[in-house]
Amino acid sequence: AQKVTQAQTEISVVEKEDVTLDCVYETRDTTYYLFWYKQPPSGELVFLIRRNSFDEQNEISGRYSWNFQKSTSSFNFTITASQVVDSAVYFCALGFTGANSKLTFGKGITLSVRP
Amino acid sequence: GAVVSQHPSWVICKSGTSVKIECRSLDFQATTMFWYRQFPKQSLMLMATSNEGSKATYEQGVEKDKFLINHASLTLSTLTVTSAHPEDSSFYICSAILAGTGKRYEQYFGPGTRLTVT
Repeated sequence: AQKVTQAQTEISVVEKEDVTLDCVYETRDTTYYLFWYKQPPSGELVFLIRRNSFDEQNEISGRYSWNFQKSTSSFNFTITASQVVDSAVYFCALGFTGANSKLTFGKGITLSVRP
Repeated sequence: GAVVSQHPSWVICKSGTSVKIECRSLDFQATTMFWYRQFPKQSLMLMATSNEGSKATYEQGVEKDKFLINHASLTLSTLTVTSAHPEDSSFYICSAILAGTGKRYEQYFGPGTRLTVT
């Protein structure tokens, strides 16, 4: 069975603080994809990153960075120097290719960045 | 590229009526589209997988006679909520997979439709 756990439900930080959002996944497949999405109050999902199971390199994109560790089945997301505009719900998701291409989402983490 | 639209963006309907939500891939063809439902402060839950020209595959617990899905073309899938009730009030989101690329892990999401049943 596929499962994504986002144990943190709500995080509140002050602007310019760094914040890490945790994601732990479960799957027996060896080929899979991990995603992070941002959902601002408007509701539209914003794609942030996709990582396949064979690529454990960490990635940095501006203030965003991702740490993928297969040994702990984790795919954590760090926002450096957070800004008010980062306030949103963040979802981690697990996906596959082939016939079973549906995504399994975690419950989401509500991030509030206070000025 | 890879833009997905939904119409309407929000709709209010009376209990007992039916409402149709459209999901369109604007600049690409999509053999597969997905429909998700999201209740307030909850995650996205997959309702069904829609393949062009065939019957939709519904997730366990989703009533196929209540949520009618039609994927009549490579750019359009519709979700009809029949005999809507207040508990059907939710945010409905569709996504689409680009046809012919083999990248079935890459879903493009629509902006969502907020349904309120009074």
